[in-house]
Amino acid sequence: QKEVEQNSGPLSVPEGAIASLNCTYSDRGSQSFFWYRQYSGKSPELIMFIYSNGDKEDGRFTAQLNKASQYVSLLIRDSQPSDSATYLCAVNRDTGGFKTIFGAGTRLFVKA
Amino acid sequence: DTGVSQDPRHKITKRGQNVTFRCDPISEHNRLYWYRQTLGQGPEFLTYFQNEAQLEKSRLLSDRFSAERPKGSFSTLEIQRTEQGDSAMYLCASSSAQGSYIEQFFGPGTRLTVL
Repeated sequence: QKEVEQNSGPLSVPEGAIASLNCTYSDRGSQSFFWYRQYSGKSPELIMFIYSNGDKEDGRFTAQLNKASQYVSLLIRDSQPSDSATYLCAVNRDTGGFKTIFGAGTRLFVKA
Repeated sequence: DTGVSQDPRHKITKRGQNVTFRCDPISEHNRLYWYRQTLGQGPEFLTYFQNEAQLEKSRLLSDRFSAERPKGSFSTLEIQRTEQGDSAMYLCASSSAQGSYIEQFFGPGTRLTVL
């Protein structure tokens, strides 16, 4: 079992729709959770982080965490073509940010 | 430019050769990370420094791989006796120990091709 699992996609949504990206993790001791966006040929950039169960909203992005189910999700509202990228889920065992485990990423296409 | 920089951006080498990559983190960041990323995969953790101390090293990092951060500033990653399986993007990231969470800022990466 992979430590962090994501559906590789591609996930295709029309412009203006909600894109829902999911991630599960295997280590129950995980404490901090991140979503990175990676455009083709570029480096990952952090878009959201979450530590506590529940929802966290930042603009068009909402991260959801359910530690009991070991599940993290990212919702992108009013999806834009510029959101087309690979979204990487990342998990740390502690909040110190030492060893970060990344999923393989989900490719998102937003159709204009 | 105040971001993370990596040099070279591209490296083509023949199997068996040694290569060395350099990473310059954001100046006030005391934490530095190395990752390897292959096509269709997320970054794989290789090693982590806090200041000049190497605190963790992945089992993925075989004896052919070594990383240093001698003065707690820039870091180098050396791969000895390269193999075709070493072909990948090598990413460096840095972060600060300040604040309530740790955001890692990634450099542009060094793409290694082993022929």
